[in-house]
Amino acid sequence: NAGVTQTPKFRILKIGQSMTLQCTQDMNHNYMYWYRQDPGMGLKLIYYSVGAGITDKGEVPNGYNVSRSTTEDFPLRLELAAPSQTSVYFCASKERNTEAFFGQGTRLTVV
Amino acid sequence: GEDVEQSLFLSVREGDSSVINCTYTDSSSTYLYWYKQEPGAGLQLLTYIFSNMDMKQDQRLTVLLNKKDKHLSLRIADTQTGDSAIYFCAESIEDTGRRALTFGSGTRLQVQP
Repeated sequence: NAGVTQTPKFRILKIGQSMTLQCTQDMNHNYMYWYRQDPGMGLKLIYYSVGAGITDKGEVPNGYNVSRSTTEDFPLRLELAAPSQTSVYFCASKERNTEAFFGQGTRLTVV
Repeated sequence: GEDVEQSLFLSVREGDSSVINCTYTDSSSTYLYWYKQEPGAGLQLLTYIFSNMDMKQDQRLTVLLNKKDKHLSLRIADTQTGDSAIYFCAESIEDTGRRALTFGSGTRLQVQP
């Protein structure tokens, strides 16, 4: 039972490069989320999805895009990486009236 | 809007009890959570409480909820050095569309041997 799986675990990007952070869950959850955690801070919501084909912005969506073509997958895309996007990214999933399950995180550095 | 606040730092001696406090603003919160994060690691769910409960106990952990004051606390009995970590309080509202968790900034617990 894998839960929520994120890849990669670590990545260094140069300014202006693009990349996709992958997130997969095997619990058939409808709700999925992307958060970022800056040093010494709590988690801020980037984007979320309430089901396949439906996505919406959270509090800090600028510079990111998402898609949700299947229930299992919720990739996060960075098109033009900037130093301000250096952070730890967490993917999570849940169902109605259940706890949220988090992946182990992706540590991204933009130089 | 949703807002969750926590004190930044708490230091206790090994064997003492730790109490970490949290306040939230949204009175319609349905779930309130406590997560633990060790350095360089992900989030570990410690416990959660429904907003219609006053207390939940799980081994060394006791969660108290004061709905009137919108105050949540986590008590760790017999605190050990392995409890040193950052503790995050979070809330989610289950009667709205996104059901996302809103996090506090975390309380760093330091346990002195």
